[in-house]
Amino acid sequence: AQSVAQPEDQVNVAEGNPLTVKCTYSVSGNPYLFWYVQYPNRGLQFLLKYITGDNLVKGSYGFEAEFNKSQTSFHLKKPSALVSDSALYFCAVRDMYNNDMRFGAGTRLTVKP
Amino acid sequence: DADVTQTPRNRITKTGKRIMLECSQTKGHDRMYWYRQDPGLGLRLIYYSFDVKDINKGEISDGYSVSRQAQAKFSLSLESAIPNQTALYFCATSDTRDRVNTGELFFGEGSRLTVL
Repeated sequence: AQSVAQPEDQVNVAEGNPLTVKCTYSVSGNPYLFWYVQYPNRGLQFLLKYITGDNLVKGSYGFEAEFNKSQTSFHLKKPSALVSDSALYFCAVRDMYNNDMRFGAGTRLTVKP
Repeated sequence: DADVTQTPRNRITKTGKRIMLECSQTKGHDRMYWYRQDPGLGLRLIYYSFDVKDINKGEISDGYSVSRQAQAKFSLSLESAIPNQTALYFCATSDTRDRVNTGELFFGEGSRLTVL
């Protein structure tokens, strides 16, 4: 079965600095990769996805992610962090044959003024 | 109004009680899911349904049951709640009828369940 690892429980960055939230995956076949964000007391919201094509995908709120097949990674990035980006971020993966989407444990991003 | 609505949003109950969490959606999606969120474990899939007549177990289905009453409604039941079922529960939907079946999920706001 597919799986996702988010190696950092917590990421702290200063406002205006670039941010990276890491994700690695394991899947048989071609992966469908997703990033979701969860704000306090809310459900998860979709940020972006990689299905095929360009390895750099752009999503909501200025976020982007880079698919690296050789490293089986899909790191989330943003050039300039905002305090309002502080939230819990989840990476998820499913393969093209299986509708069972697996989530990572989540990374809490804190952006300080 | 939310596209995916969960009720109740918060519930405190006692060990051994039967609990039902309900989910309804206005998105017209065919697939519905129940996930459980625990700190440090992320989201784990409990059950999912491809349509009204199709129910599938997820990673952690033991102790849970589901019912897909209609395309828009999917309920999760705990027949005899136990304290380690204390968690935040999410319902989600996806639409496999779009041209590119990427399985993007749309989540409800969550139901926080505490079992004493």
